[in-house]
Amino acid sequence: GIQVEQSPPDLILQEGANSTLRCNFSDSVNNLQWFHQNPWGQLINLFYIPSGTKQNGRLSATTVATERYSLLYISSSQTTDSGVYFCAGPAYAAGTALIFGKGTTLSVSS
Amino acid sequence: DAGVTQSPTHLIKTRGQHVTLRCSPISGHKSVSWYQQVLGQGPQFIFQYYEKEERGRGNFPDRFSARQFPNYSSELNVNALLLGDSALYLCASGFSNTEAFFGQGTRLTVV
Repeated sequence: GIQVEQSPPDLILQEGANSTLRCNFSDSVNNLQWFHQNPWGQLINLFYIPSGTKQNGRLSATTVATERYSLLYISSSQTTDSGVYFCAGPAYAAGTALIFGKGTTLSVSS
Repeated sequence: DAGVTQSPTHLIKTRGQHVTLRCSPISGHKSVSWYQQVLGQGPQFIFQYYEKEERGRGNFPDRFSARQFPNYSSELNVNALLLGDSALYLCASGFSNTEAFFGQGTRLTVV
């Protein structure tokens, strides 16, 4: 299966700042997802983005499949954005099983 | 529509015991996968099932087993529990080769 690396491991921001989280993967992917894990452990789907760019409010994501990386942008960060962000790629060529990175822990202070 | 549901939400077991965790997928989803997440780490893939057949297995010992039922719900079984099995266990469902959606998890504590 692929290897997934996320950077930075930790990020501390003031409210209103912008940030970029990066995900590198070791092989081509047909499935790339970004998640936000809330304090209770629930993984919240942010983007399903094997390629291209998507936007959802203050969040957007871009995957450049040929160069094996994906970026998650958070603009005008709020304290509620705090938490752990994971990217995940496919464990196999078929199916929905995922390999996760170690995550980026984001702390936004007011 | 109900999301992925897992039961129980919390569980405390003693070393050496056996545990069964349950997962009901989103209606229409035929793929279920299981993950273990220890504190401070990302989720680790354990099993994938599709159409009631095992379609993938992560690097976990044989003490871990799973199955998928005709209604596509799934069970994860862990035998001879060790302290190191204490973790959040997550279940996800999806169609084949598409977005996966996760349940709220079962937090297992082994004492």
